[in-house]
Amino acid sequence: DVKVTQSSRYLVKRTGEKVFLECVQDMDHENMFWYRQDPGLGLRLIYFSYDVKMKEKGDIPEGYSVSREKKERFSLILESASTNQTSMYLCASSLEGGEAFFGQGTRLTVV
Amino acid sequence: DAKTTQPTSMDCAEGRAANLPCNHSTISGNEYVYWYRQIHSQGPQYIIHGLKNNETNEMASLIITEDRKSSTLILPHATLRDTAVYYCIVRVGAGGFKTIFGAGTRLFVKA
Repeated sequence: DVKVTQSSRYLVKRTGEKVFLECVQDMDHENMFWYRQDPGLGLRLIYFSYDVKMKEKGDIPEGYSVSREKKERFSLILESASTNQTSMYLCASSLEGGEAFFGQGTRLTVV
Repeated sequence: DAKTTQPTSMDCAEGRAANLPCNHSTISGNEYVYWYRQIHSQGPQYIIHGLKNNETNEMASLIITEDRKSSTLILPHATLRDTAVYYCIVRVGAGGFKTIFGAGTRLFVKA
């Protein structure tokens, strides 16, 4: 079975901190994605990557950056965390043209 | 990717079939219909997908109308564990999973 692992289930960070959310997949998928999920808004795509060192902006990239140095790992970076970035963050991976597999999510609270 | 419309919530009695509708009237010829579900506090889980033929797997059946403008996900014998938010999305098969998940349908299965 495909496994997508996010490093933390819950995180609490202070405003202005630099925050790293890590995601690792074990099925050699080319594509990896970061979403955030907020009540009433569904999942919104932040960034995605279709290959090592490649990245593309999703629909809400402002305030975020990403890093993909190895195929299996995709990191989401909040350069200076703000309270409006309090959310559930979901990582996913997929083969080209295949269904996406999601991690369990990281619930981030910025205080 | 085409937009989808789903009811906000539905109820179903345990043991009965749950039929979840989805409208995707602007779907293109090369776009697939995907269904995911999200149980509280977990990442979304893939259920099924199809292009124009009806599909069935161990979890559910997918019925797509002939004009492909709508579809129905059928859970043949709903259980309490099927209580979740169900997302219908359409996307091009190749090109990654860069789609937006809407608010979905919250299905309540009642004993």
